[in-house]
Amino acid sequence: DTAVSQTPKYLVTQMGNDKSIKCEQNLGHDTMYWYKQDSKKFLKIMFSYNNKELIINETVPNRFSPKSPDKAHLNLHINSLELGDSAVYFCASSQILGGGYTFGSGTRLTVV
Amino acid sequence: AQSVTQLDSQVPVFEEAPVELRCNYSSSVSVYLFWYVQYPNQGLQLLLKYLSGSTLVKGINGFEAEFNKSQTSFHLRKPSVHISDTAEYFCAVTLDLSGGGYNKLIFGAGTRLAVHP
Repeated sequence: DTAVSQTPKYLVTQMGNDKSIKCEQNLGHDTMYWYKQDSKKFLKIMFSYNNKELIINETVPNRFSPKSPDKAHLNLHINSLELGDSAVYFCASSQILGGGYTFGSGTRLTVV
Repeated sequence: AQSVTQLDSQVPVFEEAPVELRCNYSSSVSVYLFWYVQYPNQGLQLLLKYLSGSTLVKGINGFEAEFNKSQTSFHLRKPSVHISDTAEYFCAVTLDLSGGGYNKLIFGAGTRLAVHP
């Protein structure tokens, strides 16, 4: 039933490792996003895909690579993890013309 | 570029008192406005949104917000809060691209509402 689902919910890993977060939406939305919430709760967009095409790529280190195999899925792969990557990562989806964004429950990434 | 300012980082209030969380935005074009709530260790839940039409918008859990174009504000209100309303509240804006184009949601820094008994 879940509209936007992310896995895993928690991820603890060591510096230098590579990890992935998966996201799936069953709302039929055209556009998907990755947002990062830092320790001060500030939310900032990282990437956006529309129907498998990258349309927004904010200033994000190229260690972060999103991949969208189809319009219902958007995964985030992170190489060579650093301490500063520790945050909560939220996936979201919307119809292309805005009007409503649905968020997943988040993935809390802790790099030790 | 558009931006969102939430004027209070924390708002303490007693249970059953009214509350207003303030939000101002900056944009040179028409916008859509949203309020989201984040309960501790949870995701973001949409409280309400303004797209067009009536400037007074009613949302879930008894919240409402008023869009004021001249003051570029979208303040959130509730006449009587409960302990369970304790959470982080985010105001957000996105451009009105009804003519086409791609969009992103830009968030304010959040307001922590703490309801005390």
